[in-house]
Amino acid sequence: NAGVTQTPKFQVLKTGQSMTLQCAQDMNHNSMYWYRQDPGMGLRLIYYSASEGTTDKGEVPNGYNVSRLNKREFSLRLESAAPSQTSVYFCASSASMNTEAFFGQGTRLTVV
Amino acid sequence: GENVEQHPSTLSVQEGDSAVIKCTYSDSASNYFPWYKQELGKRPQLIIDIRSNVGEKKDQRIAVTLNKTAKHFSLHITETQPEDSAVYFCAASINSNYQLIWGAGTKLIIKP
Repeated sequence: NAGVTQTPKFQVLKTGQSMTLQCAQDMNHNSMYWYRQDPGMGLRLIYYSASEGTTDKGEVPNGYNVSRLNKREFSLRLESAAPSQTSVYFCASSASMNTEAFFGQGTRLTVV
Repeated sequence: GENVEQHPSTLSVQEGDSAVIKCTYSDSASNYFPWYKQELGKRPQLIIDIRSNVGEKKDQRIAVTLNKTAKHFSLHITETQPEDSAVYFCAASINSNYQLIWGAGTKLIIKP
């Protein structure tokens, strides 16, 4: 069992470029999440998918889009990257909302 | 909006002593309160959680207490060890959609 796998681990983008962060889980979890982590601010929820076929905005959705491709995969897209999106991004999954979340290893994104 | 405040931001304790981290939340209908530990450069991992129908929960050296009236909950670590050094995050659910709102984190330093 790999758990939650996200790619890439590191990425540098120029302002205005687009990219997609990939996330897959092999635990048959229903719920998946994308968070960003900035120094001194903890984790902030960008988007989540409570179950396959649904997606909802979290605290900080502006500038991002998501796709729940199937039960295993949940991708995060930045259409036009901005320096304010420089952060560490974590994908996570859980059996259902309000149960233990398992995190991927994180993606360190720098927008210059 | 919903808010979770976490204190202190940094806590330094002597090895073998106890550590206490406190969080307050704003949504009186919150019903799920997890604590995550994040070691440097690693992903967050759940260490303990509590639901609103329980006042206290213990797991070996770790305990969490919940005061629903005052809307605060605390993490207690006894007999601290060097491997307890990490950043600890509390979180609370928003009742309307079960999203988690996270505290800003506490950096726990265990002095030898």
